[in-house]
Amino acid sequence: DAKTTQPNSMESNEEEPVHLPCNHSTISGTDYIHWYRQLPSQGPEYVIHGLTSNVNNRMASLAIAEDRKSSTLILHRATLRDAAVYYCILRDLTGNQFYFGTGTSLTVIP
Amino acid sequence: NAGVTQTPKFQVLKTGQSMTLQCAQDMNHEYMSWYRQDPGMGLRLIHYSVGAGITDQGEVPNGYNVSRSTTEDFPLRLLSAAPSQTSVYFCASSYLGSGANVLTFGAGSRLTVL
Repeated sequence: DAKTTQPNSMESNEEEPVHLPCNHSTISGTDYIHWYRQLPSQGPEYVIHGLTSNVNNRMASLAIAEDRKSSTLILHRATLRDAAVYYCILRDLTGNQFYFGTGTSLTVIP
Repeated sequence: NAGVTQTPKFQVLKTGQSMTLQCAQDMNHEYMSWYRQDPGMGLRLIHYSVGAGITDQGEVPNGYNVSRSTTEDFPLRLLSAAPSQTSVYFCASSYLGSGANVLTFGAGSRLTVL
């Protein structure tokens, strides 16, 4: 599966929107973009995923660039509970090995 | 549903000892995998399985064995533990057949090798 690149860390003030970027320039046409987050001392948990169109769920929104070479996870109002490491990965129909990298460590400032 | 259950949560071993980390899922997922996470690093894939009787190596397989005799269970064996295997281990599972299938992770097993 193709690799992704993310900034190592980001900061946000509480109750402000957060935009977490992910670059995936080698994405193939069948790759889905997945986001997971890992709260301190916990296992990663699913956040959102998409293929081509922007996606919304109760946790976040996913904005996918038109050429699909990048995407942005949007937390509309950051809370202290959103402080976590966020991972962007790609998954296609047959892929079984996923590259998580080091993700983006999000700090939320009260 | 319990999801993905990992046991034990914590374990301390001496160098050279052997042990098995257990992973069980109750979602009938075909795909199961093991990752290790070292301080300041991301998740690195150790081994994975796409069904009973089928396993394959990931990025860092050395020092670890796996087997998959049932759909539900995917144990990770350390035959002769080394301090370099001190880490937090995560098991993850999912359905196969679509890139939209999401991974469900266990809570992790923290292993210290002295």
